[in-house]
Amino acid sequence: GESVGLHLPTLSVQEGDNSIINCAYSNSASDYFIWYKQESGKGPQFIIDIRSNMDKRQGQRVTVLLNKTVKHLSLQIAATQPGDSAVYFCAEKSEGGYNKLIFGAGTRLAVHP
Amino acid sequence: GAVVSQHPSRVICKSGTSVKIECRSLDFQATTMFWYRQFPKQSLMLMATSNEGSKATYEQGVEKDKFLINHASLTLSTLTVTSAHPEDSSFYICSAGGQGGRGYTFGSGTRLTVV
Repeated sequence: GESVGLHLPTLSVQEGDNSIINCAYSNSASDYFIWYKQESGKGPQFIIDIRSNMDKRQGQRVTVLLNKTVKHLSLQIAATQPGDSAVYFCAEKSEGGYNKLIFGAGTRLAVHP
Repeated sequence: GAVVSQHPSRVICKSGTSVKIECRSLDFQATTMFWYRQFPKQSLMLMATSNEGSKATYEQGVEKDKFLINHASLTLSTLTVTSAHPEDSSFYICSAGGQGGRGYTFGSGTRLTVV
């Protein structure tokens, strides 16, 4: 199957700091991207999405930036809280039929009080 | 909002037996469902795409005879792990949607342990 089977890198931050999680995607033709949060033993939870005709989108405490030139996506979390501790994945909608969603490698965010 | 119910949440089975995992869309019709497998500390790996009324489309390297997918209705897709072995132990997650601009909705996952 597709995806990158790497062990997860960890980002450690202090509570209240801003977090930036990065992701490199694979297909320059992908036109839709999503950031997910996954807690242990649970399915992915939608955070924010962005289409390829945009380079920035903001939500509540979160911002997604898209750089199509270098196929890079980032998720910024403002004022990180202990409840933000989880694994974060970017996902891209694959071109072609069925709108398959392909996940990136993921980053574990650890928030320390 | 859209809800996908996945059952069971946990299952332990003996090596050589088969296990069926169900994924139901509760308040919408899902023409397409996706099945993922996730090993510890790794990302979600797409196994197959399940289409109502037709054969599933499997990703490269996924054995279609081992991972049987049935999508008999617009609200139910099942994944059957046949002749399970310890290396099949993993977290299996289903997802529905992606069609017509609708977002993707994920099930809560099934932890399969083969002993």
